[in-house]
This record gives sequence, structure tokens and C-alpha cells, in this order.
Amino acid sequence: DQQVKQNSPSLSVQEGRISILNCDYTNSMFDYFLWYKKYPAEGPTFLISISSIKDKNEDGRFTVFLNKSAKHLSLHIVPSQPGDSAVYFCAAMSYSGAGSYQLTFGKGTKLSVIP
Amino acid sequence: DSGVTQTPKHLITATGQRVTLRCSPRSGDLSVYWYQQSLDQGLQFLIQYYNGEERAKGNILERFSAQQFPDLHSELNLSSLELGDSALYFCASSVSANEKLFFGSGTQLSVL
Repeated sequence: DQQVKQNSPSLSVQEGRISILNCDYTNSMFDYFLWYKKYPAEGPTFLISISSIKDKNEDGRFTVFLNKSAKHLSLHIVPSQPGDSAVYFCAAMSYSGAGSYQLTFGKGTKLSVIP
Repeated sequence: DSGVTQTPKHLITATGQRVTLRCSPRSGDLSVYWYQQSLDQGLQFLIQYYNGEERAKGNILERFSAQQFPDLHSELNLSSLELGDSALYFCASSVSANEKLFFGSGTQLSVL
């Protein structure tokens, strides 16, 4: 059972336009959400996060929105640049007991920004 | 550079064999995590260690085991390898259990 879902395997956007990547989750115990970016032959790198007590977090061109009632979050990139072309993973954190937290990842969305 | 070092970068072996993947966390990080990424799959959590102790287990097979040493580096041991074990294995580290993870560049395992 996939608890974090990224239903779009790929997305193509023109340079300068907005990229919107979506993520849905099923576990109501998730209380912290993160987005990671991954280039080929590299490990995922942290991009931006949001706590469940907020509905928006902004960092430069990147904004993450959280809709707890819909169990949905989205990552907006404005304006999109060719260097943003990568695979984006949505991840959700929950407490798993004994002082441990577990990060559950979606399958990723491959973003292609076309010059 | 995330500061997390994984070796080797690539590993090619045969079915039935045993391999060891190594991870050195960022300086000061006490938590180490192992993830597996198969084709068309997301990052599947395998296991977590904190300061030498196992803290959480995910979808880790019984043929797989891991440990974290006193110097905080970690090793993931994969035995009786099968074709389906071919994947990218990532190590990640964090300062504490509920902080964001920093990933290494991964070990690409190919089982032939």
C-alpha cells in the first residue's frame, strides 16, 4: 500500500512558466513533508519542507503548499529553469516509535523544463 | 557534495553471492538510513541506525543485514543475491531522528 503517491511520472514545462508537482498521502500521522530533487547519477538532495501546522512555505522560486484536509501537497517552481530538470520526490515523515522517525517517499515525478 | 560517502559506486556480481556496501555519514550525524531504489520504484526504506543501535526497520529482506560501527560508518550486507536485488542503494544521514536526510550518491548494484 503506497502511502505517498505522485501520480504523474513525468511533467514537461516551458522555461519561464510555472511547474506544479503534486503529491497525495494517505497516512494522517504524517506531520512533516519534504521535497527532494534528484539528478542522474547523484543522490537526492533536500529542496524544501513544510510542517503540518503550516499551509505554505516559500524559498526563492520554490513554494510548497499543504492541504491537510485533502491530504495533498504541491510544489510550485516559478519561473522554471532548464536546470530544474530532474526527478522530484515527495516525502512524508511520521513517528515510528522508540524515538525513531520514518521518511516515506513517493515514486517521483520527472520534470523536464524545455528551453 | 552532501558529505555522505558511499562505496563502491558500482558493483557487479552474480546470483548467490554476498556483497557489502559501505557508508560514511556526514561529520556529526548520528543517524544512518539505507534506502533501495529499484526501476520505476520510489525510495524504499530498508533500515535505520542511531548511534550504533538499530532504530527502525522497513522493507528489508532477511537476506539483508546492516550495522553501524562505533565510528558511525555503516555497512549493508546483501547475501544470497537474486536478480531482483539489482537496484540503486542509497545511504543517508541526519543529525537526529527527525531532521532532514542528506543522501550519498548511491551504489548501483547489478546482479547477473
